[in-house]
Amino acid sequence: EDQVTQSPEALRLQEGESSSLNCSYTVSGLRGLFWYRQDPGKGPEFLFTLYSAGEEKEKERLKATLTKKESFLHITAPKPEDSATYLCAVPNTGFQKLVFGTGTRLLVSP
Amino acid sequence: DTGVSQDPRHKITKRGQNVTFRCDPISEHNRLYWYRQTLGQGPEFLTYFQNEAQLEKSRLLSDRFSAERPKGSFSTLEIQRTEQGDSAMYLCASSLDGGYEKLFFGSGTQLSVL
Repeated sequence: EDQVTQSPEALRLQEGESSSLNCSYTVSGLRGLFWYRQDPGKGPEFLFTLYSAGEEKEKERLKATLTKKESFLHITAPKPEDSATYLCAVPNTGFQKLVFGTGTRLLVSP
Repeated sequence: DTGVSQDPRHKITKRGQNVTFRCDPISEHNRLYWYRQTLGQGPEFLTYFQNEAQLEKSRLLSDRFSAERPKGSFSTLEIQRTEQGDSAMYLCASSLDGGYEKLFFGSGTQLSVL
């Protein structure tokens, strides 16, 4: 069964304290791994797509990397406005829909 | 690009009542997805449309749930005889043909069943 596991469930950082979020997956024939950001009371917002091991994507203080079995979202010198839930997702085996993990709730304190 | 619009944003209903939600996708998007999200969980797939055709329904979607997308434009999700376990955020997303890549989500409809 296609599965996505994210850790930690929650993470509290001080402003400027860098860290990483993890996303591991089990799916046959990976065709992309997706990171989304979700603010409270809103729908997820697309951040990155990664397609092959070794690929990296960056956006402001966020950098996503991909290996054969997992992805990391690195947050460098975070700010309070980076506080959100970060979701990762992979296409299911039939490539018709995204399967989401449970997310990591990030809180950055000033 | 006005984004994906969902209506209403919030719905409170009593157990046993029927509710209907509406989603207006981005105008040129062929695919439309419905997901459900409960507190502390990621979105769970419910169903999706390619234009007006409903191509897949999750096992999560009981007989009380029905979705339509007439003329391949807006979509409605109806829940009949609501139960307390139906309380969740119902999210709609759309994408260009070819699919699951880069979904654009609406802000969701938060359903509370009392």
